[in-house]
Amino acid sequence: DTGVSQDPRHKITKRGQNVTFRCDPISEHNRLYWYRQTLGQGPEFLTYFQNEAQLEKSRLLSDRFSAERPKGSFSTLEIQRTEQGDSAMYLCASSWDANTGELFFGEGSRLTVL
Amino acid sequence: AQSVTQPDIHITVSEGASLELRCNYSYGATPYLFWYVQSPGQGLQLLLKYFSGDTLVQGIKGFEAEFKRSQSSFNLRKPSVHWSDAAEYFCAVGAPMGTGNQFYFGTGTSLTVIP
Repeated sequence: DTGVSQDPRHKITKRGQNVTFRCDPISEHNRLYWYRQTLGQGPEFLTYFQNEAQLEKSRLLSDRFSAERPKGSFSTLEIQRTEQGDSAMYLCASSWDANTGELFFGEGSRLTVL
Repeated sequence: AQSVTQPDIHITVSEGASLELRCNYSYGATPYLFWYVQSPGQGLQLLLKYFSGDTLVQGIKGFEAEFKRSQSSFNLRKPSVHWSDAAEYFCAVGAPMGTGNQFYFGTGTSLTVIP
């Protein structure tokens, strides 16, 4: 399968712990996005990479959140000192400059903070 | 500010009946418009998209949507709903490729299909 993959699919952690999510985009895609989705809401933009450069970050992305895409391939999203409000589905999506805007989404990583 | 409104949180239709899901957007330039579907435990999948040209666009699974600039709408339709269409549907608006990088999603419409 050559779709977007995310790991882990589910993560349960205690408040105050750090968590890291990984996203492997479709190999030829140079754009990578992180979104957050809470129950009853649509995906909310967090951040965007073009190749290894992080070009945009949402105000939703507090200082406790950091994302990297070191070699322009996979990406990681780390949340430090997790809070209960961080509980959500974290979605990764990728796209390619040459296409017409379609985002290809992974199945998401669900975070539960106790 | 860019935004997407999906007025219907939840819709229930009978199998075989027609379906229309509403989407209104606010965008400062010519929008790129999308409909995505999300089934339980699945990632979002693109149903269809509009960039320019014919305002009636066809998508996968028998869905279509019509762009109406005067009404700032991009409603999704299907003439005959199947039980497998039960899912969450999201309308999204985005910037043209190369000049923007954010896609704004509505809050979604949950579709229930009854036999």
